[in-house]
Formats: sequence, structure tokens, C-alpha cells
Amino acid sequence: GAVVSQHPSRVICKSGTSVKIECRSLDFQATTMFWYRQFPKQSLMLMATSNEGSKATYEQGVEKDKFLINHASLTLSTLTVTSAHPEDSSFYICSAMGQEFGAFFGQGTRLTVV
Amino acid sequence: AQSVTQLGSHVSVSEGALVLLRCNYSSSVPPYLFWYVQYPNQGLQLLLKYTSAATLVKGINGFEAEFKKSETSFHLTKPSAHMSDAAEYFCAVSLYNNNDMRFGAGTRLTVKP
Repeated sequence: GAVVSQHPSRVICKSGTSVKIECRSLDFQATTMFWYRQFPKQSLMLMATSNEGSKATYEQGVEKDKFLINHASLTLSTLTVTSAHPEDSSFYICSAMGQEFGAFFGQGTRLTVV
Repeated sequence: AQSVTQLGSHVSVSEGALVLLRCNYSSSVPPYLFWYVQYPNQGLQLLLKYTSAATLVKGINGFEAEFKKSETSFHLTKPSAHMSDAAEYFCAVSLYNNNDMRFGAGTRLTVKP
């Protein structure tokens, strides 16, 4: 099946710094990728939809200047958490949509801001 | 807007027993329905999906789910639980494509030896 690789799997950063998370579709081209946030013991909340070659579409309440999304190629989307704060600590998951409906998910990134 | 409700945030079964995880959906048009499994600190893995073909959908790892329009349900079952089935399970609904996919709150499955 299709594989989506997310990197890093775990990152700890200092408050005020920026962190970049990568999401790659390894064996298929993904014109659309999705970024989710998951709080402990909660479900996934869609943050934004990333379209290759165009601006991302953010869900209501998500700060686009804080969560920068770039989808420069058909196999790579990046999420940059800028000026991170402790409340940004969370589990971030990407998914990529290929030809098969249902999307494929990355393994997630645990971000801890100290 | 479409939504799913997972009944029971935690289900505990004995190894070898039937697994039943409940999911009810709400949607104004025929939906696409999904079940995903998540292991600790990992992403989601698709177990199965309903896309308006057969109402009984078979997935990986011995799981299956039945779409019942009259009950607006899409419950996940497995005849015999295995220790490796212990994980968090999410039901999801989508109407058109992936960016309108909405997830349930999740059900944590515990399997006792």
C-alpha cells in the first residue's frame, strides 16, 4: 500500500523557536495533503489542506501565520510551527491523498515546547 | 454537516472474545465511512472503508464493518480478539473527499489475556 513518511517523529524545542515537520509520500504523487492536530486522548482535528503549488486552506480558528504550510512538490509538504509556545505542544499528523480514496497517514510528530 | 459518534470511549474484551466498536453517523447525503486504528505515538492506519458498494466491508487484520442506513450505523467487529488488537480506533465520515473528513472521538480497545 501507499506509504506516507513523516519526520521527525519526535521533537523538543525551546519556546520562541520554530520547528519544521516534513510529510512525504514515498511511492505516489499527492496533489493534496492534510495536516491534523491531536490532543491527548482526543480525536484528530483538521488544521489545513495543503495543495501542491498553491496556498494552503486553513480551517477556522487555525492561525495561518503561526502554522506555515508549504507544498512545493507532489511528494512533499511541510508544516512549520513558528515562534512555538508550550500550548503548541501536541501530536501532529499528516495525510496524503493519492488515487485511492481514504488518504494515507504519516506516523505523526510529537512536538514538545519547553 | 457530517459527523460521527463513537459510543464508548473505552472497550475491554478478553482475548478470543468478540470485538464490537460502535459508530453512528450523521450526514445529509450518502456518506463514505472509514475505520482507522492508531497505535501509541503513531499515525493512523486504514482498516476498512465503505464507499457505497457492498454494505458489509471486510478490512485488514480480520476486522469487518456493516453499513446500516436504517440505523445510521457503521459498527466495527472482529470475531476473536487478539492481544495485538489493543489500540485506539477511530471512525470517520466524509461526503466528497478527504478534506471534509471528520473523525469520531475514538474508542480505546483493551484486550485482556
